[in-house]
Formats: sequence, C-alpha cells, structure tokens
Amino acid sequence: AQTVTQSQPEMSVQEAETVTLSCTYDTSESNYYLFWYKQPPSRQMILVIRQEAYKQQNATENRFSVNFQKAAKSFSLKISDSQLGDTAMYFCALIVTNAGKSTFGDGTTLTVKP
Amino acid sequence: NAGVTQTPKFQVLKTGQSMTLQCAQDMNHEYMSWYRQDPGMGLRLIHYSVGAGITDQGEVPNGYNVSRSTTEDFPLRLLSAAPSQTSVYFCASAPPGVMIADTQYFGPGTRLTVL
Repeated sequence: AQTVTQSQPEMSVQEAETVTLSCTYDTSESNYYLFWYKQPPSRQMILVIRQEAYKQQNATENRFSVNFQKAAKSFSLKISDSQLGDTAMYFCALIVTNAGKSTFGDGTTLTVKP
Repeated sequence: NAGVTQTPKFQVLKTGQSMTLQCAQDMNHEYMSWYRQDPGMGLRLIHYSVGAGITDQGEVPNGYNVSRSTTEDFPLRLLSAAPSQTSVYFCASAPPGVMIADTQYFGPGTRLTVL
C-alpha cells in the first residue's frame, strides 16, 4: 500500500514572502510520479507541479519549485513571492506508473496575507 | 476542448435511492478515475479505468459501481445511497504515454448530499 502524509494542516505567509509545504510518502515501487495540486475555494483541482521519480533534477514552474529527496521519500513544495491568489488548499499526490492507483495527502490550507 | 465534464453539479438524495453521476472527457484519454473528497480531507480513489472495458477498484469502492463502454464516458453508480456517501465527487482523466497514467485533469466536481 502507498501512503502520502502532509503534516501541516494549515499555514500562512505574508504576501511576497516564501513558504514551503511538506509532504512525505511511502511506496515500495520504484517508478512513480509525484504531484502538487491546488484547490482554491472554487473547488477546482489545478495541477501546480509534477515530478518524475526517476529524474533527480527538481521540477520548477515559475514561482513554484520542489525539493525531491527520493531516499528520504520527501517531496516539499516551495512557493516564492507568494501572491494573494495562491490562497488555497494544496494536495500532494503519488501515482504508481504501472498500476494506475493514485493516493492523495489530506492537504495543507495555505493563506496568503496582504 | 471541454476537458472533463461532470453532471450534475449538485444532487440531493434520500437514503436508499440510486443514481448515476456522469463523467465525460473529450481528450481521448485512456485513464479515467473517480474520487470522493470529504470535508477537510484529501481525495480518495473509488474506482479507475485504464481503457474501455477495463475497470478496477480503488481505496473506497464499496457502494459504488462503474463501467467503461467508451473511451469518453465513465459513469459512477450509487446503488443504494447512504448518508456516509455525502461528499464531493471528482472525476479525472489522464493522457496515455509510456505509463498507465500521468498528470490527471479533473472535472469541476459533484456535491452529493444523502439525507
């Protein structure tokens, strides 16, 4: 069985500052993908960033980057220059590539304060 | 492209009623899945499909049935609704590639209340 744990239920950050959201996971598989999704109050699930487990280089997407530590099974999300529109719930997710079963963490509610 | 569409957006059922939540995608994705999201929690996988005619159970399949007769559609059936099935339901699809599933694209969700 695979698990995803987000240990920070809520976080807040001042506008323009940097914040890091934590995620740890467990799987016995070697080939998998990791994702961060954003869910604003509209409830829509929006992909933030994606990481392939076989790639050592950390993924980046504009102000969003990850710190992927495969041996430690850690996958944190760093948001730089936080904006009010970043206020949302953030979910870490894992999908094993040869099985199709995905697992989500319970989420971190991020509030960006003006 | 409409992406992933779900109907209805809201639904209220009485205990014991049955209904079907509809999900369709126009991106020719082989992989489709259904999740439920309870308040303050993440998404839990109910059922998924890796192609037409192929379905499999996820983490919380009890009380739900699925079928996949076409690539585009993946309906979720509640057999006999219970208050414990009150939740928000999301459908998602993922493009084909060298693996079964990559990035999932989500529908807008259906908020279901069972009285």
